[in-house]
Amino acid sequence: DAGVTQSPTHLIKTRGQQVTLRCSPKSGHDTVSWYQQALGQGPQFIFQYYEEEERQRGNFPDRFSGHQFPNYSSELNVNALLLGDSALYLCASTPRQLAKNIQYFGAGTRLSVL
Amino acid sequence: GNSVTQMEGPVTLSEEAFLTINCTYTATGYPSLFWYVQYPGEGLQLLLKATKADDKGSNKGFEATYRKETTSFHLEKGSVQVSDSAVYFCALTTHRDMRFGAGTRLTVKP
Repeated sequence: DAGVTQSPTHLIKTRGQQVTLRCSPKSGHDTVSWYQQALGQGPQFIFQYYEEEERQRGNFPDRFSGHQFPNYSSELNVNALLLGDSALYLCASTPRQLAKNIQYFGAGTRLSVL
Repeated sequence: GNSVTQMEGPVTLSEEAFLTINCTYTATGYPSLFWYVQYPGEGLQLLLKATKADDKGSNKGFEATYRKETTSFHLEKGSVQVSDSAVYFCALTTHRDMRFGAGTRLTVKP
């Protein structure tokens, strides 16, 4: 049983560019959340998707957007990249019916913006 | 809003020493509480959890008790090993998003 998988593992972009990160949830999970983890900090909640819609959102600008597909996989898009967007981006999945259950995390995508 | 305050590190201990990492929280409702561990270059792995007051979560010798009266969830281990060196995050959830503390880096020396 595969866990949460994310791609790519590393990415280098320049300021102003756009980036797309991908996530496949753990088998049987229908809810996907995205987090940004800056160096030396704890993860910060970006948003959560289930039933292909954004259901909750943290304090992130509209440059951060996402999508969920019918197979529950998800994408995180960031437009007009800033140097401050450099971070580890983590995807987590959970079954929706267990609202306060454990979130299972992928290994993350490390984004460097130059 | 919901938040987690975690003991700042880094923490350096000798092998077999006793570990405590303090965590307190602020939340509306009845949160579930978690400790996650992050090894270098990896994502977060669940270490233990507690879903209601007075629950004790335990795993791999680590323990934490959900204390509603003090809004705390301190992580303890009686005898740490070099392999326990990692960053530890306290977290809570009341709905579906998780709120994390800033993390505590633990280094265990032989």
